Amino acid sequence: DAKTTQPNSMESNEEEPVHLPCNHSTISGTDYIHWYRQLPSQGPEYVIHGLTSNVNNRMASLAIAEDRKSSTLILHRATLRDAAVYYCILRDVRNDMRFGAGTRLTVKP
Amino acid sequence: EAGVAQSPRYKIIEKRQSVAFWCNPISGHATLYWYQQILGQGPKLLIQFQNNGVVDDSQLPKDRFSAERLKGVDSTLKIQPAKLEDSAVYLCASSLMGGPSNEQFFGPGTRLTVL
Repeated sequence: DAKTTQPNSMESNEEEPVHLPCNHSTISGTDYIHWYRQLPSQGPEYVIHGLTSNVNNRMASLAIAEDRKSSTLILHRATLRDAAVYYCILRDVRNDMRFGAGTRLTVKP
Repeated sequence: EAGVAQSPRYKIIEKRQSVAFWCNPISGHATLYWYQQILGQGPKLLIQFQNNGVVDDSQLPKDRFSAERLKGVDSTLKIQPAKLEDSAVYLCASSLMGGPSNEQFFGPGTRLTVL
């Protein structure tokens, strides 16, 4: 199974952009790149997903490298409510969603 | 739109006892998932249903865990008998349909403590 590698933790200042990296060097051509986040004491929440092209939505942007071996989740202006564990996940045609340990984002006021 | 509902939110039992969790997915969602999340780890998929049929239960410990989704709507997950290592949050999620591009919506989870 294709796996992802993320930093264990990152810090950001409030109202500044945050770039959360993810490496997935063994990604296959049909794997989708998904990002979910989990706030304390809540279930995971969908953030964004993409296949090959960069994607934008109201929550974030997803930048995918040309070779698709890495991606970056971009929060344009971090708020205290963005403090969470962020998971980068590859999903294949079997529909599996294999979570890793994720990146714990701390936002400082 | 109502989200995924789960009950109970918390459960404490002694080892070797039985426990059941209930999940009501978002209306119209054909695909339902159960995950186990141990403290400090990401969620692990236990079982996936498409309507009332099992799509994937490869990571479900079938000697003690069982799940059903009668009528293709609500689902229950049962543990019998429970072990100490079953202490975790059990998350239910649903999606409109299966497939790798579909968003999953998660419930708040049931926190199980086995003493």
